[in-house]
Amino acid sequence: GEDVEQSLFLSVREGDSSVINCTYTDSSSTYLYWYKQEPGAGLQLLTYIFSNMDMKQDQRLTVLLNKKDKHLSLRIADTQTGDSAIYFCAEKDNQGGKLIFGQGTELSVKP
Amino acid sequence: NAGVTQTPKFQVLKTGQSMTLQCAQDMNHNSMYWYRQDPGMGLRLIYYSASEGTTDKGEVPNGYNVSRLNKREFSLRLESAAPSQTSVYFCASSGNRVNGYTFGSGTRLTVV
Repeated sequence: GEDVEQSLFLSVREGDSSVINCTYTDSSSTYLYWYKQEPGAGLQLLTYIFSNMDMKQDQRLTVLLNKKDKHLSLRIADTQTGDSAIYFCAEKDNQGGKLIFGQGTELSVKP
Repeated sequence: NAGVTQTPKFQVLKTGQSMTLQCAQDMNHNSMYWYRQDPGMGLRLIYYSASEGTTDKGEVPNGYNVSRLNKREFSLRLESAAPSQTSVYFCASSGNRVNGYTFGSGTRLTVV
């Protein structure tokens, strides 16, 4: 079945760039997503990328997709303390349209 | 505000008690989902409803039942709660293929 893998923790200094990585298994996924979860809250959609794209940029966020290696990354430029959260990668299951989530990467931003 | 509303936000149950978690969305979405979130395990799908009148099992359905009451509401029932069901439960809905899911704020359940 489909599987999505992420590292569990990432720590950066305020002002640095953060790169959160994700690998997935379903090569037929048409959309891949990044969600952000702040403490005590639900998940909010940050951005998504269509599978025929290599890159998508949205202000401080850059998503890179390597379909050959089934690798997705999220780069946050000029990381701020308000970016501290858990970030989830997800792929869409094309058989039923369900989202398959990774374990989440906890980003800690130190002043 | 449009979105997904979950009730209650917090609940403590004794082992063996039953309860129903409520979820409602006002975005006219066809599909609704129940996930549980446990530390280090991400979100695991319990049950989902692709459209009104249908429900299907997800990855971890044992110990749960669901009802898609109408297009807006999708409830999750624990018939006999167990400590292993201590978790944070999220409801989500989706309509547009592109935009992924909209999540509720979660129900934090503790079973003692």
